[in-house]
Order: sequence, then structure tokens, then C-alpha cells
Amino acid sequence: DTGVSQDPRHKITKRGQNVTFRCDPISEHNRLYWYRQTLGQGPEFLTYFQNEAQLEKSRLLSDRFSAERPKGSFSTLEIQRTEQGDSAMYLCASSLSSGTGPFRGSPLHFGNGTRLTVT
Amino acid sequence: QQPVQSPQAVILREGEDAVINCSSSKALYSVHWYRQKHGEAPVFLMILLKGGEQKGHEKISASFNEKKQQSSLYLTASQLSYSGTYFCGTVSGSARQLTFGSGTQLTVLP
Repeated sequence: DTGVSQDPRHKITKRGQNVTFRCDPISEHNRLYWYRQTLGQGPEFLTYFQNEAQLEKSRLLSDRFSAERPKGSFSTLEIQRTEQGDSAMYLCASSLSSGTGPFRGSPLHFGNGTRLTVT
Repeated sequence: QQPVQSPQAVILREGEDAVINCSSSKALYSVHWYRQKHGEAPVFLMILLKGGEQKGHEKISASFNEKKQQSSLYLTASQLSYSGTYFCGTVSGSARQLTFGSGTQLTVLP
């Protein structure tokens, strides 16, 4: 178990630029989640994959955000035309769950996150 | 809807006890607890499932009141390493993801 890894750890970009983050989950985990966390707040759900299928996306998520998980392995999160309000820590987590049903009793294993600063 | 945690912050001395509460307005299937230290990833502590099943670390205890949709995390004989922000995450209905509270910042002083 090498843990969940995220790259880069920090990203500074200018408003209007596009950014892409990568997440490598624990290899045997079939579920992958993206969360966003701002200072003093808990993680906020963005989107979720079961293997390579994106099964759920937050209704609050702008169309500027897109995520992929090709072949059910690593995942990428892209933000287009970044805005200052996008500045946050972007956390990836993975878990091992049976089936595609509701989230139940499997722990989430989080990566250390990518801190995005939009200037 | 986001669960509500209380207190927002607590400061205690090494060896003292603390209780962190989490409540929801929705019927819950499970409650999850995580601890996050500054600059680090949230780390899993415990899951409490409807029906009484619990999964987690032996040194952490928690309760889940299914009727009141409330959970409490009990930290006894606190150590310096317990310092951090504690988050509860809840699952209700057919949700496929955790909804996290805004956290409780715990500081343990020597």
C-alpha cells in the first residue's frame, strides 16, 4: 500500500489559465473521489468514479471543471479559465467498495492534495 | 446538507478528555470520522454504521444515535499527537459520497 499520490503539490496560476492535476489512487481501489477544501472548511465533494466511469458530479461544480479516469487507474482534474475563487486545496481519495451502490462502510484514503493559488 | 459539528474548537491539556459532536438533519446510514493535521491529508479514524457496526482504531471510541442522527467522538487521556482538525462525514440515503462537516480544531497542550 503506497498510498494515494497527487501531483503537483502546489500550483500557482494566473486567472484565465487552464490547470490539470493528477491523482494516483491505491492500486486495488475501484472508487476515486475528488474533493475541494478551503481554509477552515471540510472537504467538499466534487466528483466520483467507479473504475473508469464517472458516476456522480456535484451540482455545484462549474462546467469549467472536468475529470477523467482512463482505464480505471489514475485520474486527472482539469480546471479551465481559472478564477480566483478556484483557489483551494484539491484532494483526491480512493476506496475499495463492492458494486456501484451507495457509499457505505469503506474508509476513504486521501492524498496530500494539490494546493491551487489563482492570482 | 452539511452536518453540524460542535464545538468549533477546543483546547485541553495532555491527559484531559474531549468530546466532539456531529449532527445531521437527514436520516443517516453511516458516520465517518477523520483527523487532519496542518498541511496533511485527512486520515481515517472510524466508521459507525446504522445498526451498530463500527470499524476503526482500537484507541478511538465513538457513538452513533440513529434516532437523533447524532454522533460523538470520544478522546480520552489526550496526547499531544491528538492535535488536529476532526471532521465528521455523513452518508444518507443513496448517496455515493461523504458530506463533511466544517471541522473541530483540537489543540492539546503539554
